[in-house]
Amino acid sequence: DIVMTQTPLSSPVTLGQPASISCRSSQSLVDSDGSTYLNWLQQRPGQPPRLLIYKISNRVSGVPDRFSGSGAGTDFTLKISRVEAEDVGIYYCMQARQFPLTFGGGTTVEIK
Amino acid sequence: QITLKESGPTLVKPTQTLTLTCTFSGFSLTTSGMGVGWFRQSPGKALEWLALIYWNDDKRYSPSLKTRLTITKDTSKNQVALTMTNMDPVDTATYLCTQWSQGARRVDLWGQGALVTVSS
Repeated sequence: DIVMTQTPLSSPVTLGQPASISCRSSQSLVDSDGSTYLNWLQQRPGQPPRLLIYKISNRVSGVPDRFSGSGAGTDFTLKISRVEAEDVGIYYCMQARQFPLTFGGGTTVEIK
Repeated sequence: QITLKESGPTLVKPTQTLTLTCTFSGFSLTTSGMGVGWFRQSPGKALEWLALIYWNDDKRYSPSLKTRLTITKDTSKNQVALTMTNMDPVDTATYLCTQWSQGARRVDLWGQGALVTVSS
């Protein structure tokens, strides 16, 4: 199985300030078709997860442009340029390179 | 508008079999590239993938749970069912069904989830 490791576990952020979450995979997420199957999900309190970004950096329709994804191979980053109150929640990276699909342990973004 | 909703028992006893149904609308599981997946989330813990069924009836299972899981679809009813045998208290979790797009390999939309408690 591909192990996904997220850091930090928790990220207290001041409103309007940036936040950054790292995700590392135990093996490359580049598939034979050349695509890298790394997704980012947001889970607000009491809500199901929501897809934010797929294939490293592609924002889903309706996701604010303050969210951006980057990285390659085994190292990936989700950045929130200016954190807003509605961004509070747990963020997960998920690999879809191979089965079983696996997730990082989650990073809690909270307001200081 | 795409929606997914999970239904099934909220309480099962240890050793019993759990059957959950995902009823969806806004897309068809006969469309090439489409799939429906099941995930779960134990209280306060991270997400775990369970199973996935594709438009062509191909199926994938979590290796650690494969012997206990069966996923099926009824395209006429827009439903996907997940059966898990020999339930144990550690299986207590919120079970979520999702729309899956094979081309982008992404979970497009999640249901609200169904909390299942395993207890005698």
